Amino acid sequence: AQSVTQLGSHVSVSEGALVLLRCNYSSSVPPYLFWYVQYPNQGLQLLLKYTSAATLVKGINGFEAEFKKSETSFHLTKPSAHMSDAAEYFCAVSDRGAQKLVFGQGTRLTINP
Amino acid sequence: KAGVTQTPRYLIKTRGQQVTLSCSPISGHRSVSWYQQTPGQGLQFLFEYFSETQRNKGNFPGRFSGRQFSNSRSEMNVSTLELGDSALYLCASTISQSDQETQYFGPGTRLLVL
Repeated sequence: AQSVTQLGSHVSVSEGALVLLRCNYSSSVPPYLFWYVQYPNQGLQLLLKYTSAATLVKGINGFEAEFKKSETSFHLTKPSAHMSDAAEYFCAVSDRGAQKLVFGQGTRLTINP
Repeated sequence: KAGVTQTPRYLIKTRGQQVTLSCSPISGHRSVSWYQQTPGQGLQFLFEYFSETQRNKGNFPGRFSGRQFSNSRSEMNVSTLELGDSALYLCASTISQSDQETQYFGPGTRLLVL
């Protein structure tokens, strides 16, 4: 069964600094991987997804993630944090053959002015 | 194109009652999935419907049920509510059955059980 581990339930960075949110997955088959963002009192918005094309995936709002099979990782990065990036971020793996996402526990990102 | 809509947005019930939540997918989307989000357990898959058929089910008790109508709208029902059912219930829709398709989420229904 697939699983996702997000390292760090809380990450705090200064405005303009690099954002790095870590995600490791476990999957017996090549995975489909997703990053979603959730703002307070809202649903989930897709940032980007990996579906076995390019290993470096670019998403919305300047975010990108790199799929590294050898490390079973799919870390999310953004070169320069903005105050509006403050939110909770979820990494998810798709259960193959099913419309079912398995989510990590989430990482709350705080941006310091 | 309108996004996924969920009604109601907020709901307060008491233990033992039942509740029905509604989800209208994006126009043209035929797959609807439901998730429960709680601070303790995070985001957990409830079930998924495609063309009025339940295709997948998560590890929840039988008190949780759902259905999908011919217009792809979906409802989920929770009977005999417990305090632990307090959560944000999210609905997501997808255009097809493919597992690499993006799931688009609605804003959720926040249920509080007293």
